[in-house]
Amino acid sequence: DQQVKQNSPSLSVQEGRISILNCDYTNSMFDYFLWYKKYPAEGPTFLISISSIKDKNEDGRFTVFLNKSAKHLSLHIVPSQPGDSAVYFCAASGTSGTYKYIFGTGTRLKVLA
Amino acid sequence: KAGVTQTPRYLIKTRGQQVTLSCSPISGHRSVSWYQQTPGQGLQFLFEYFSETQRNKGNFPGRFSGRQFSNSRSEMNVSTLELGDSALYLCASSLAASGSGEKLFFGSGTQLSVL
Repeated sequence: DQQVKQNSPSLSVQEGRISILNCDYTNSMFDYFLWYKKYPAEGPTFLISISSIKDKNEDGRFTVFLNKSAKHLSLHIVPSQPGDSAVYFCAASGTSGTYKYIFGTGTRLKVLA
Repeated sequence: KAGVTQTPRYLIKTRGQQVTLSCSPISGHRSVSWYQQTPGQGLQFLFEYFSETQRNKGNFPGRFSGRQFSNSRSEMNVSTLELGDSALYLCASSLAASGSGEKLFFGSGTQLSVL
């Protein structure tokens, strides 16, 4: 049972345009969400997070939106740069009941120069 | 500050053998989690240790085990290796137990190939 789903395995975007990566979850107990970026042969690195008390969190070119009623979050990258090409994972956890992070299967983003 | 260190970086084993992977967390971090990454499956949670106690376990067979030492370093062991165990094994550390709003910091992983 995949509690965190990233339905798009890959995404290609032109440099300078917006990249939108989506993530859906099924467990209503999740209340903290993170996005990680992973380059080949490296471990994932933290990008941005959001707690369920917010619906938006922004950090430079990265913005995460959370829609609790739809159990959906998205990561917006504006403007996209070739160095953003990587695999992006969303992860979710609960502060009560579900103490581990559950990761999605990842979306491979390719930013075309 | 040194990051999360995993050793070895690459490992080749044959079916039936056993393997031990090592993880040194960031200094001061008391939680260590292990994940398995295979193509198309994302990061699958194996287990988490906090202050030498296993706090949570994923849906993996008993051949997968781990432990944490008093200095927070952790090891995971896989016995009776199968071809399907070929994967990238990632270790992540955090200051407090994961799931409490703590960020995970990952090592570069150990790439295990089972022949």
